[in-house]
Amino acid sequence: NAGVTQTPKFRVLKTGQSMTLLCAQDMNHEYMYWYRQDPGMGLRLIHYSVGEGTTAKGEVPDGYNVSRLKKQNFLLGLESAAPSQTSVYFCASNTPGVAGYTFGSGTRLTVV
Amino acid sequence: GESVGLHLPTLSVQEGDNSIINCAYSNSASDYFIWYKQESGKGPQFIIDIRSNMDKRQGQRVTVLLNKTVKHLSLQIAATQPGDSAVYFCAENIYIQAGTALIFGKGTTLSVSS
Repeated sequence: NAGVTQTPKFRVLKTGQSMTLLCAQDMNHEYMYWYRQDPGMGLRLIHYSVGEGTTAKGEVPDGYNVSRLKKQNFLLGLESAAPSQTSVYFCASNTPGVAGYTFGSGTRLTVV
Repeated sequence: GESVGLHLPTLSVQEGDNSIINCAYSNSASDYFIWYKQESGKGPQFIIDIRSNMDKRQGQRVTVLLNKTVKHLSLQIAATQPGDSAVYFCAENIYIQAGTALIFGKGTTLSVSS
């Protein structure tokens, strides 16, 4: 089992460019999440999904959009990147009755 | 707003010592808590969890204590090793819409010297 896989691992964007981060899980988990982690801080929830075709806003959703067309995939989009979106992005998945949440290894995004 | 926080940003110990990392939470309705370890350049790794109907749970070299009266969590690591050096986060499981999500504290950086 690969668990949670994030692509790409690194990316540099220019201000105003767009991109999509992909998260894939092979554990048949119902819930998926996108977090961002800034230096010296814990992870903050951007958006989440409780099932295929559903998405909702977390703590810091502004500037991001998400989609969950397939149960195993959760996409995070930046329509017009800003330097404030420079961060490390983590995807996670979980399902009721299963202990813990499984995290991916992260995507390091720099916006210049 | 409600949040989960850690008391100390850094903790330095000698190899072989026992380490105690503390965390305070504010949501009295929370019923599930998780400790994660994060090494440099990696994602958070599950260490141990505890539900609110328990006061203590033990794993291999780790113990989590939950004091619901004062809304406090602690992670105890026995015989700390250099490989334990990492950032440790406590996370609180909250109910949102039709599901749940984790809210993280800021983390404690554990440094183990040999």
